[in-house]
Amino acid sequence: GNSVTQMEGPVTLSEEAFLTINCTYTATGYPSLFWYVQYPGEGLQLLLKATKADDKGSNKGFEATYRKETTSFHLEKDSVQVSDSAVYFCALPHTIKAAGNKLTFGGGTRVLVKP
Amino acid sequence: DAGVTQSPTHLIKTRGQQVTLRCSPKSGHDTVSWYQQALGQGPQFIFQYYEEEERQRGNFPDRFSGHQFPNYSSELNVNALLLGDSALYLCASSWGLAGGPETQYFGPGTRLLVL
Repeated sequence: GNSVTQMEGPVTLSEEAFLTINCTYTATGYPSLFWYVQYPGEGLQLLLKATKADDKGSNKGFEATYRKETTSFHLEKDSVQVSDSAVYFCALPHTIKAAGNKLTFGGGTRVLVKP
Repeated sequence: DAGVTQSPTHLIKTRGQQVTLRCSPKSGHDTVSWYQQALGQGPQFIFQYYEEEERQRGNFPDRFSGHQFPNYSSELNVNALLLGDSALYLCASSWGLAGGPETQYFGPGTRLLVL
């Protein structure tokens, strides 16, 4: 089955630092890839997505590029803010057609941005 | 427009007890999925309901069961609770089965503690 591996946290940064969170995946075919964010006390929110190889998803200053060759979808942000403190999850859907929109998530990476 | 709502927000049970968690989908959505998120881990898919039937199921024992009502709301039932059932239970809603994961909206979750 599909699986996602992402770097373990916590990642502690100072404000305006560069953030990168590694994500690699194993999947049948070429599924869409997603990053979700979970702010303290809240549910998951879709942060960005990419639907095919070399696509770049972006949102709120975050970017991730779908790399088919390295089966990776690393999340990056040039200058983080304290408000970016959250847990970030890399995810991909089940690729079997009948599976609907079931998601497989990575273990999550906690990011703490200090002022 | 209310998003996905879940109740209760927190719950404490003892081993062997039974628990029922509730989810109301976002307005206009008719499909509900449930996920278990253990502390420090990514969400794991439990099952999905559509048209009052279980359509997909993850790798969870029969102690986990669910129901969907005609108004599309859903319940998750867990029998014979184990300590390992302690987790954040997330509900996600969407419209139909054909949409991709990006069409899912997550609720804030119910945090269950089993003592």
